[in-house]
Amino acid sequence: QSALTQPPSVSGSPGQSVTISCTGTSSDVGTDNRVSWYQQPPGSAPKVIIFEVTKRPSGVPDRFSGSKSGYTASLTISGLQAEDEADYYCCSYTSSTYVFGTGTKVTVL
Amino acid sequence: QVQLQESGPGLVEPSGTLSLTCAVSGYSVRNGAFWSWVRQPPGQALEWIGEISHTGNTLYNPSLKSRATISLARSRNEFSLELKSVTAADTAVYYCVRSPGWWYLDFWGRGTLVTVSS
Repeated sequence: QSALTQPPSVSGSPGQSVTISCTGTSSDVGTDNRVSWYQQPPGSAPKVIIFEVTKRPSGVPDRFSGSKSGYTASLTISGLQAEDEADYYCCSYTSSTYVFGTGTKVTVL
Repeated sequence: QVQLQESGPGLVEPSGTLSLTCAVSGYSVRNGAFWSWVRQPPGQALEWIGEISHTGNTLYNPSLKSRATISLARSRNEFSLELKSVTAADTAVYYCVRSPGWWYLDFWGRGTLVTVSS
């Protein structure tokens, strides 16, 4: 499978909202709800922030929300904070394989 | 709290075999869940290598063309990765990761950098 497509970068000022798209195909993102999102601060390991498209693990702020329409999943960060500056990856589990997105760098201006 | 820690050589020669071990604490690998390896070349995106279930069933990324083998050591509460015939393209930070069984990866090790070079 090919990597899912994400914009290389997005940016916003503190307090603003940003949305990251994750585009796949009918064989992955479009198939079911097995989409997750990971936050990776510089020099650190990734951390799951969304699973099954919209669910947040315990401890993840509700500023992070997920959605999906057709072949595109989206992650929205509301009320952007300086600590949100990181790389973000979407991921789809399909055909017994995890496929990650190309990654998006979020910059807080 | 589940913790994972990778260990293994940081330097592997081209055409050799990369071998890594992941020590799991705070959870028994016998109890369930799925245990994966994920890698990240410098400055690049994440790539899933494969996983092993608590029963020993394995799944691999087809792009690795059968070079990868993941095994489970229940008595030591560890799992391992072997990657054969490595080239410079296999240079990456390697993470060991747990999946609780609902198609996402919840606990990650800190990662270990493996460089393929002579």
